Amino acid sequence: SQKIEQNSEALNIQEGKTATLTCNYTNYSPAYLQWYRQDPGRGPVFLLLIRENEKEKRKERLKVTFDTTLKQSLFHITASQPADSATYLCALLARGSSNTGKLIFGQGTTLQVKP
Amino acid sequence: DTAVSQTPKYLVTQMGNDKSIKCEQNLGHDTMYWYKQDSKKFLKIMFSYNNKELIINETVPNRFSPKSPDKAHLNLHINSLELGDSAVYFCASTGADYGYTFGSGTRLTVV
Repeated sequence: SQKIEQNSEALNIQEGKTATLTCNYTNYSPAYLQWYRQDPGRGPVFLLLIRENEKEKRKERLKVTFDTTLKQSLFHITASQPADSATYLCALLARGSSNTGKLIFGQGTTLQVKP
Repeated sequence: DTAVSQTPKYLVTQMGNDKSIKCEQNLGHDTMYWYKQDSKKFLKIMFSYNNKELIINETVPNRFSPKSPDKAHLNLHINSLELGDSAVYFCASTGADYGYTFGSGTRLTVV
């Protein structure tokens, strides 16, 4: 069956450290993968997109990697801050779904950065 | 200016009632979506419209009916509400950059 999985356990780290979140998928051929941030009571906010032919993408303190062999994407926040505390969602667009833009979401991982 | 706005933000209603949620985007995007987020935080797609045309209709009870009067609006009407319909409903839109812009959500509680 098709699955997209993120660690459901909360990730607790100390301020200043690098947070690494994992997204694994099964039985999908993604055209691309996206990462979103969601704060309580708010809608998800788009952060980064990485395509199937890209290995790594960066944006300020954020870095995303994409390994189609391992079927995994890693999301890194360097020099983490308490303001980075939120739930992070990965989502993929399967090849063949480009005309619909149908994104499949993981269940999210909650990150808590302690001062 | 709010990019994707949904109303109402909260909706508490009794079983059996009919209700609507409205969504408007001012981004000029061609494609709009309705997603449902359940208590376990899974976001599941319900419907998608591209320039007023329905392009995704997932396995959703036919009590749910989307309507898109123009490409900037996508409303969701729900008939005969059931307890299991309680969730947060998100509207979203997307343009050429493929990142979705989400509304702030409508928390529906059926009692």
